[in-house]
Amino acid sequence: AQSVAQPEDQVNVAEGNPLTVKCTYSVSGNPYLFWYVQYPNRGLQFLLKYITGDNLVKGSYGFEAEFNKSQTSFHLKKPSALVSDSALYFCAVRDVTNDYKLSFGAGTTVTVRA
Amino acid sequence: DSGVTQTPKHLITATGQRVTLRCSPRSGDLSVYWYQQSLDQGLQFLIQYYNGEERAKGNILERFSAQQFPDLHSELNLSSLELGDSALYFCASSALLGMNTEAFFGQGTRLTVV
Repeated sequence: AQSVAQPEDQVNVAEGNPLTVKCTYSVSGNPYLFWYVQYPNRGLQFLLKYITGDNLVKGSYGFEAEFNKSQTSFHLKKPSALVSDSALYFCAVRDVTNDYKLSFGAGTTVTVRA
Repeated sequence: DSGVTQTPKHLITATGQRVTLRCSPRSGDLSVYWYQQSLDQGLQFLIQYYNGEERAKGNILERFSAQQFPDLHSELNLSSLELGDSALYFCASSALLGMNTEAFFGQGTRLTVV
């Protein structure tokens, strides 16, 4: 089965500093990777996806993600974090071995302090 | 607003009871997914439908069942409820079944079993 892992349960940064949320993947074949964000008491919102092409993918709310095939990583980044970026972030992969179901990592809680 | 509608938003019921959660996908989306989110188990994939047919199954209990109707809305039925079934249940939809299509999530149904 294809899977993703988020090695950090929590990330804490100061407002204005760069934010990185880590994700590594394990797939056979080409990876199809996604990032979602969940604000308190809300559903998941799609941020961005990597399918093919440029290794740097730009998404919503100023977020971007860097795909690194040699390190099997797909880290989410934001150059300057805002307090409003505090939320739960999920990395996900399309599992081509199980009819393309979307499998999620455990999630990383991001706290941005003022 | 993702365009995916879930009802009800909150549900409180007693152990042993049966409930039905409803999901209306985004207009035109053929694929529907159900997920369970609990504090200790994260976001767990339950089941996936595409144009009325079951396509992928995750860790769905035998007490749980789902279906997708001809108008593409879906229902998740939970029976013989236990305290441990208390969780947030999300529905998501995507246009196709393909690897490069993102899924859009509803706001979720918070189920509390007492």
